[in-house]
Amino acid sequence: AQRVTQPEKLLSVFKGAPVELKCNYSYSGSPELFWYVQYSRQRLQLLLRHISRESIKGFTADLNKGETSFHLKKPFAQEEDSAMYYCALGAVRGNKLTFGTGTQLKVEL
Amino acid sequence: DAEITQSPRHKITETGRQVTLACHQTWNHNNMFWYRQDLGHGLRLIHYSYGVQDTNKGEVSDGYSVSRSNTEDLPLTLESAASSQTSVYFCASSEGTSGTADTQYFGPGTRLTVL
Repeated sequence: AQRVTQPEKLLSVFKGAPVELKCNYSYSGSPELFWYVQYSRQRLQLLLRHISRESIKGFTADLNKGETSFHLKKPFAQEEDSAMYYCALGAVRGNKLTFGTGTQLKVEL
Repeated sequence: DAEITQSPRHKITETGRQVTLACHQTWNHNNMFWYRQDLGHGLRLIHYSYGVQDTNKGEVSDGYSVSRSNTEDLPLTLESAASSQTSVYFCASSEGTSGTADTQYFGPGTRLTVL
């Protein structure tokens, strides 16, 4: 069975501080991992996915198969990063996504 | 521009009534999904479809049904609304041609309150 764990419901950091949102997954096959973001009063949108190896809005995430993790990182938090972040797991050759419970990031001035 | 829309955006209904939430996408995507979003549970999959006439149950499908008669629409029906179904409902679609987990594109959500 697929499972995604985001251990922090709320993460509060100061502007300019580093950010790390944790995501661990459980899956017996080859995983595809995503981070989605939901800004206040907006719809969910893709932030990044591991296969594209991009840095979006300064965020990066590295898939660590040994630790079954896909943590989201940003070196310097900005006020506009305040949002709900969801980690999601997809099965190769399948199209469903399993979402974690989300982490609310609050960047304080 | 291609997009995915949901209607209504807000709905208040009474226990026991049948409710249908609409989802319409203009990307010509094969895959469509319905989720509910609740505090402490994140997004949970209700039903999904990989194409016309195809529907599948997700992890929280009890009390819900869907039908896919064309590519663009996947309406979600609550057969007899219950207070436990008060939630925010999101529809999503994805291309579904690569055989891998595609990026899903989300609608704006429908906030449903069952009294």
